[in-house]
Amino acid sequence: TQLLEQSPQFLSIQEGENLTVYCNSSSVFSSLQWYRQEPGEGPVLLVTVVTGGEVKKLKRLTFQFGDARKDSSLHITAAQPGDTGLYLCAGAPGNNDMRFGAGTRLTVKP
Amino acid sequence: DAGITQSPRHKVTETGTPVTLRCHQTENHRYMYWYRQDPGHGLRLIHYSYGVKDTDKGEVSDGYSVSRSKTEDFLLTLESATSSQTSVYFCAIRETGVGLSFTEAFFGQGTRLTVV
Repeated sequence: TQLLEQSPQFLSIQEGENLTVYCNSSSVFSSLQWYRQEPGEGPVLLVTVVTGGEVKKLKRLTFQFGDARKDSSLHITAAQPGDTGLYLCAGAPGNNDMRFGAGTRLTVKP
Repeated sequence: DAGITQSPRHKVTETGTPVTLRCHQTENHRYMYWYRQDPGHGLRLIHYSYGVKDTDKGEVSDGYSVSRSKTEDFLLTLESATSSQTSVYFCAIRETGVGLSFTEAFFGQGTRLTVV
């Protein structure tokens, strides 16, 4: 069992649709991060959420941190083919290490 | 650009041979990490370092060792490579916010290792 559980594992949608992906844990985190990874590249940070209940918007992407700081969600409005990629959530359960979820692989079809 | 370079970028090696992967950073970050990425598993932490000569195990450390003799270099060694260690390996550095309230990771380009 992974520390951070992401769902769904795969998601294939048409351009213009909305979607939400989830990141859940039984542990409390001081912050959670969302990354996007494209084939052949390392993950790139999208956002960090720090405060329970926090909502952050990045253009068409909306990130939410759960009130109890155990979960987070990423909502994409009007998805575009350029949003295709692997979305990973991450958190630091201790002071030094950083753990990642297994990711949601999103495909947006034109 | 966090100034992280991994070498080699690709390597094919035979079962039973030792392999060392190198991660080099140019910005004096304290924390460095090695992950492996396999389909369906996301990124799994192998080992990490929180300073020169200070390292600790991650969730999948068996068969791997690390060394950090200077701030800029973090080496990952496969003592005796096995086919199950075929993977893409990523090095990362961590930046920390004020009061350690949050952490952000920046990654190298990855090393694709194939053990035959």
